[in-house]
Amino acid sequence: NAGVTQTPKFRILKIGQSMTLQCTQDMNHNYMYWYRQDPGMGLKLIYYSVGAGITDKGEVPNGYNVSRSTTEDFPLRLELAAPSQTSVYFCASSYPGQGNEQFFGPGTRLTVL
Amino acid sequence: RKEVEQDPGPFNVPEGATVAFNCTYSNSASQSFFWYRQDCRKEPKLLMSVYSSGNEDGRFTAQLNRASQYISLLIRDSKLSDSATYLCAVTLDMRFGAGTRLTVKP
Repeated sequence: NAGVTQTPKFRILKIGQSMTLQCTQDMNHNYMYWYRQDPGMGLKLIYYSVGAGITDKGEVPNGYNVSRSTTEDFPLRLELAAPSQTSVYFCASSYPGQGNEQFFGPGTRLTVL
Repeated sequence: RKEVEQDPGPFNVPEGATVAFNCTYSNSASQSFFWYRQDCRKEPKLLMSVYSSGNEDGRFTAQLNRASQYISLLIRDSKLSDSATYLCAVTLDMRFGAGTRLTVKP
């Protein structure tokens, strides 16, 4: 199993550009999450999904959108990039029946200039 | 008050030392608690879950105190390889602490 994979690993955007961060998991987990981590800070939940077709806002959803058309994929969309969105983005997945331990992808480092 | 708060750190300890971290949470309905380890510029990885009765995994011991709403992590006989940032997680509403950095020195 590859676990949770994320692409791209790094990206530089100009203000106002848009992009999609990709996240795929092959563990058949129901739950998937997107977090951002600013330097020296903890993880903040952006959006999460408890299954295909279901998404919910987390703590910091403004400026982002998500979709969950399949169990495996959970892309995160930035429509109008702003410098405040410069961060490291982690995708994670979990299976509730296993105590909800989250498995994280390697992260995407995004810089908005 | 933040939802999940951790000791600010950093903790700089010699090899062989015992070190303890605390993490407080504000939502009394929280059900699941975890400690994650995060190495520099890497993703968090589960260190251990925290059970109501407390649990131990080798040199690591986790405790939960529901009355005072905190969890703790004790590391005995610290190794150089324990140097990392330790994040606590409270998963009723997917909250993570800001992390405590530990550096173990020779």
